[in-house]
Amino acid sequence: AQSVAQPEDQVNVAEGNPLTVKCTYSVSGNPYLFWYVQYPNRGLQFLLKYITGDNLVKGSYGFEAEFNKSQTSFHLKKPSALVSDSALYFCAVRDEGNNRLAFGKGNQVVVIP
Amino acid sequence: GAGVSQSPSNKVTEKGKDVELRCDPISGHTALYWYRQSLGQGLEFLIYFQGNSAPDKSGLPSDRFSAERTGGSVSTLTIQRTQQEDSAVYLCASSRRTSGRRETQYFGPGTRLLVL
Repeated sequence: AQSVAQPEDQVNVAEGNPLTVKCTYSVSGNPYLFWYVQYPNRGLQFLLKYITGDNLVKGSYGFEAEFNKSQTSFHLKKPSALVSDSALYFCAVRDEGNNRLAFGKGNQVVVIP
Repeated sequence: GAGVSQSPSNKVTEKGKDVELRCDPISGHTALYWYRQSLGQGLEFLIYFQGNSAPDKSGLPSDRFSAERTGGSVSTLTIQRTQQEDSAVYLCASSRRTSGRRETQYFGPGTRLLVL
């Protein structure tokens, strides 16, 4: 079975400060990990993914994520948050036995001006 | 290029009525997925289509839910005898390859369904 945990409901950060959104996963076999962002009344927008290779993955809008196999984590990071980064962020995983994505419950990020 | 499109964007219906939700995937994408996003349940997988293969229906919550994909492109999700607990945002996604586990799923804007 595949699952994702996003332990925090909401992340508040001041504009210009580093932003971290946490994600841990559980899969059988190798994980394929994804981050999506959702703005109000919009669908999910792809940010980045880890398939294999370098543990640090760079994605859209200055976001990056670090895959840590020993900690089964894939935390999303941005060095300097913008007010426009305020949105709902979803971590998702699929393993080699699945075509579907398993999503975390999402984290609301609020960037305070 | 054009992304995944869904229609209608909003649907209000009365309990007991049937509804049809439409998804038009990205051109050339062979895989198509339906998910449901609701407050209490988060994002749930519903059904997956891949080319001409039999769909994976294992996420459909009841036999009131069905979906079809005609000509390997457009898909319709049908909910019969709608219930209030069906109120949610229904999201469609598509991806490129037949062996799609590495591929990114691209999502449409969703259909917001409200059952009164």
